[in-house]
Amino acid sequence: DTAVSQTPKYLVTQMGNDKSIKCEQNLGHDTMYWYKQDSKKFLKIMFSYNNKELIINETVPNRFSPKSPDKAHLNLHINSLELGDSAVYFCASSQDISGGRYEQFFGPGTRLTVL
Amino acid sequence: AQTVTQSQPEMSVQEAETVTLSCTYDTSESDYYLFWYKQPPSRQMILVIRQEAYKQQNATENRFSVNFQKAAKSFSLKISDSQLGDAAMYFCAYDSGGSNYKLTFGKGTLLTVNP
Repeated sequence: DTAVSQTPKYLVTQMGNDKSIKCEQNLGHDTMYWYKQDSKKFLKIMFSYNNKELIINETVPNRFSPKSPDKAHLNLHINSLELGDSAVYFCASSQDISGGRYEQFFGPGTRLTVL
Repeated sequence: AQTVTQSQPEMSVQEAETVTLSCTYDTSESDYYLFWYKQPPSRQMILVIRQEAYKQQNATENRFSVNFQKAAKSFSLKISDSQLGDAAMYFCAYDSGGSNYKLTFGKGTLLTVNP
């Protein structure tokens, strides 16, 4: 059973379009995250949610809007896509928001390519 | 802000040999957590090892061990008896241990294992 799953795994789209990436975890965790990995492999946190509540928003452009319909799901919607949004987006989850005590489990990533 | 520095963009090792990957970090906290994550070509992020700063004993996981030097803010990863499957990008990561769990990553070290 996949612990953290993301759909789609690959996404190719035109500049200006709106797209969504979905994430689901079946670990019963309270906290979920979105990370962005750029073309140089640098990973940076974007958002975290704890029990459907936004906890961290790391100065991400407001074209990015996360939505957590329930504890097991955290989706990422991106409006008006730009070339610079091309990256791999990782979803992750952890047991709770308490720092470092628990492992963060990562999804397989979604490679977004904006043409 | 906390920063994590991996000064070796690339390393190589012969199969069955030992290699050490370096990581330094900057923080004013006294309690925090440090991690090494592995990202093979499959793109999946896999936790290799975790260290709690208040523990003086260095963490070990089978062939993987760390050298944690708190005063020097250094956290190196030693891989013994290197195997072909160890070839991957390795990321050092930090979490402050506070109430907002987020990982701050270094830029990664690409490890090649030569047969």
